[in-house]
Amino acid sequence: KAGVTQTPRYLIKTRGQQVTLSCSPISGHRSVSWYQQTPGQGLQFLFEYFSETQRNKGNFPGRFSGRQFSNSRSEMNVSTLELGDSALYLCASSPIEGPTQETQYFGPGTRLLVL
Amino acid sequence: EDQVTQSPEALRLQEGESSSLNCSYTVSGLRGLFWYRQDPGKGPEFLFTLYSAGEEKEKERLKATLTKKESFLHITAPKPEDSATYLCAVQGIYNQGGKLIFGQGTELSVKP
Repeated sequence: KAGVTQTPRYLIKTRGQQVTLSCSPISGHRSVSWYQQTPGQGLQFLFEYFSETQRNKGNFPGRFSGRQFSNSRSEMNVSTLELGDSALYLCASSPIEGPTQETQYFGPGTRLLVL
Repeated sequence: EDQVTQSPEALRLQEGESSSLNCSYTVSGLRGLFWYRQDPGKGPEFLFTLYSAGEEKEKERLKATLTKKESFLHITAPKPEDSATYLCAVQGIYNQGGKLIFGQGTELSVKP
């Protein structure tokens, strides 16, 4: 099976702009989670989607939003970018059903640089 | 509040020198504890899931164990290709949907 894919892999934006990142989960996986990784804070949970519904949300401002489509693909959006939003954004998918239902498999990430 | 602490922050080993990485956790009901390996510039690669105290899992030179308060990742006779950052994460039973709480990681360097 193909792994989790994320596009684009690299992005450079300026402060005040907005950005949309895309994630395609492993085939058959219905849950998609998003994380932000920075050297100072490590990996932090943004939100999780299942069946097009957000089930859980981390402690991030409302500028961070996401959605999931009927084919389980997901997008996250960051509006009014700030310098501190520079990070590696990781998407992870999990099967929800079966013996490994909780295990999350990560994509390669999107590296966002805000200037 | 769910919390994960990993130690040491960095570990340097000679090839063949076995050691252990520690992951201490606090969670209101454990759904699962997860170990990942992350190479620079890449996403975390799944290694193990542990569910209950006393459980052990092995894969090549790696063995993960779990108690009620901590988990260990034992590395036997490591090779240079084992160099990476090892991440530990927990998921609590009261967290519906995703939400892994990660530790800061242990950066492992294995010299030939």
